[in-house]
Amino acid sequence: SQELEQSPQSLIVQEGKNLTINCTSSKTLYGLYWYKQKYGEGLIFLMMLQKGGEEKSHEKITAKLDEKKQQSSLHITASQPSHAGIYLCGADLGQGGSEKLVFGKGTKLTVNP
Amino acid sequence: DGGITQSPKYLFRKEGQNVTLSCEQNLNHDAMYWYRQDPGQGLRLIYYSQIVNDFQKGDIAEGYSVSREKKESFPLTVTSAQKNPTAFYLCASSMYPPSGRALAGEQYFGPGTRLTVT
Repeated sequence: SQELEQSPQSLIVQEGKNLTINCTSSKTLYGLYWYKQKYGEGLIFLMMLQKGGEEKSHEKITAKLDEKKQQSSLHITASQPSHAGIYLCGADLGQGGSEKLVFGKGTKLTVNP
Repeated sequence: DGGITQSPKYLFRKEGQNVTLSCEQNLNHDAMYWYRQDPGQGLRLIYYSQIVNDFQKGDIAEGYSVSREKKESFPLTVTSAQKNPTAFYLCASSMYPPSGRALAGEQYFGPGTRLTVT
């Protein structure tokens, strides 16, 4: 079974709309990383969350980690076509050393102008 | 500029041939990783290395081999034993041990190599 569940799998929004992507685990998230990927390219690091209840923002993107440290959300305000891509969450689940990350399957975001 | 390079971007091979994918970083990172990405599957860890001359198997190491003779380089060989080698391969690196952190630092990714085996 997938250790990190991302939802939705895909999302189509009109430019200017707000949206939220979720990343959920049945295990404690010791560290949660959000990445963005353009199709056929590498991943770009967005943000890292570590503490329960933590929230970080960069431009129009806000990421939160819940108090129980089992769910994270990525919220985009007033979406733009430049936000389109695949968003992936990666997590340190405390497995065999802190250097390993487990990734969700990704959420494909399309922003229509 | 510091970063991770992967070459080539596209690679085509005949079934039964071994092929080596290149990954080089000039970020002075200790740890390096190889992932495989398939449609709808997310990223799966193949191998990772924390220091020179040492590496560990990830979740899907069968049919792959790596070496870490230099800190900057972590090549991946896809052998003929890999039953389904066609995929998008991503290399990443990070600080290890993470400076000032109790957790793994963020991983920096290369642009990827798309391998097609026919």
